[in-house]
Order: sequence, then C-alpha cells, then structure tokens
Amino acid sequence: GDSVTQMEGPVTLSEEAFLTINCTYTATGYPSLFWYVQYPGEGLQLLLKATKADDKGSNKGFEATYRKETTSFHLEKGSVQVSDSAVYFCALSDQGSQGNLIFGKGTKLSVKP
Amino acid sequence: EAGVTQFPSHSVIEKGQTVTLRCDPISGHDNLYWYRRVMGKEIKFLLHFVKESKQDESGMPNNRFLAERTGGTYSTLKVQPAELEDSGVYFCASSRSGLRGELFFGEGSRLTVL
Repeated sequence: GDSVTQMEGPVTLSEEAFLTINCTYTATGYPSLFWYVQYPGEGLQLLLKATKADDKGSNKGFEATYRKETTSFHLEKGSVQVSDSAVYFCALSDQGSQGNLIFGKGTKLSVKP
Repeated sequence: EAGVTQFPSHSVIEKGQTVTLRCDPISGHDNLYWYRRVMGKEIKFLLHFVKESKQDESGMPNNRFLAERTGGTYSTLKVQPAELEDSGVYFCASSRSGLRGELFFGEGSRLTVL
C-alpha cells in the first residue's frame, strides 16, 4: 500500500541555519504531496503542496519539489527562525482517494536563538 | 471564520468504559475526516464523511468504534467499550469539496485508557 517515510527527529538547529527534512513516498498512482505543520498547542495546518511531478510548493520561506524519479518531497528552508519550531508532517493523497491523507511519522524541529 | 473545534481536549477513562468525542467542522465544509495518532506512530485515517454519509470507513479499527454525523454538521466518534490500545490523539479535519488533501485540522482529543 501507499506509504510515506520521513527522517526521524528531533532536529535542533540554531536560528538562521539551513533546514532540510527528507521525505520519500511509495504510491501506486500519481499522488498529490503535502507538508503539514503542527505548532505547539495547535492543530495541523497545511504548509505547502504539489500536485504533479516537478511542481514546487512554497510558503513562508519553505519549499519542496515533487521529484517523481526519486519519489521524494524534501522540505527546505534557507534560514529558520525560532517561530518555525514545530512538528512537520509529510503526507500524500492518492489519485483515487477522496482526499484521505497518508502521513509520515512527523519530524520535530526545535530552533534555538 | 471559526476553525475546527474538538471536545474534549483530553479524556481519561478506565478500560471498558465509553467515551464520545465531538467535532465541529468549519461551516460549509461538506467533508469531515477522523484520524488517530497512537504514540510513536503515524497519523492514521479512520473515516470520511461527505455531509451526513460515510464515504469511506476503511480505517475504522473494529466495531467498538462508531462515528456519526448528524444532519451533515457536527460529528461524534464513540468508543465502546474502550481498550488500552485505543489511547492516542484523535484528530478531526474538514475540507471543502474539490480541494483534495487540503484539510483543516482541529487540535485533537487526547484519549487515555487506563
């Protein structure tokens, strides 16, 4: 079945450091790919998405490119801030689904001043 | 616009008892989803409503779980009788039609079964 694998955390960075969180997927069809973020005390919220190969999703300085050849959707940010501290979830929605999401385990990011 | 709200935020019950979780989706969102995260594991899909109809309940673990969505508005998820392995965080999410995968999540209801 479909699945998402993302790097284990926690990840601790200093402010202004470069961030990469790796995400790879397995899917039989042509999924849409997502990054969701959960800030402390809040629900998950959509950070960015990409719906087809080579699409780049971007939001709040974060970017991820849908790479079909490597089945990857790595999250990057050039300069993290303390306010980026959160748990990040990679997810996919298969073409044939009704929008149901398959999630990775989540990666906790802590950014120190 | 008000977000997805869930109640209670935390529930602690004994094995064998019953618990009912409630979710109020964003107004106008026809799609409502329940997910669950057991500690250390992925967030797993439980079921999906479109208005008041169950579109997909393939993720429901067993018949101890019962979900309803009265009149296509709020939804409840009842666990009866609760078992230890039911402990986890139950998330509700809603979305508009046509936006596959773009879900708005509540903060979750944490269930602890002792």
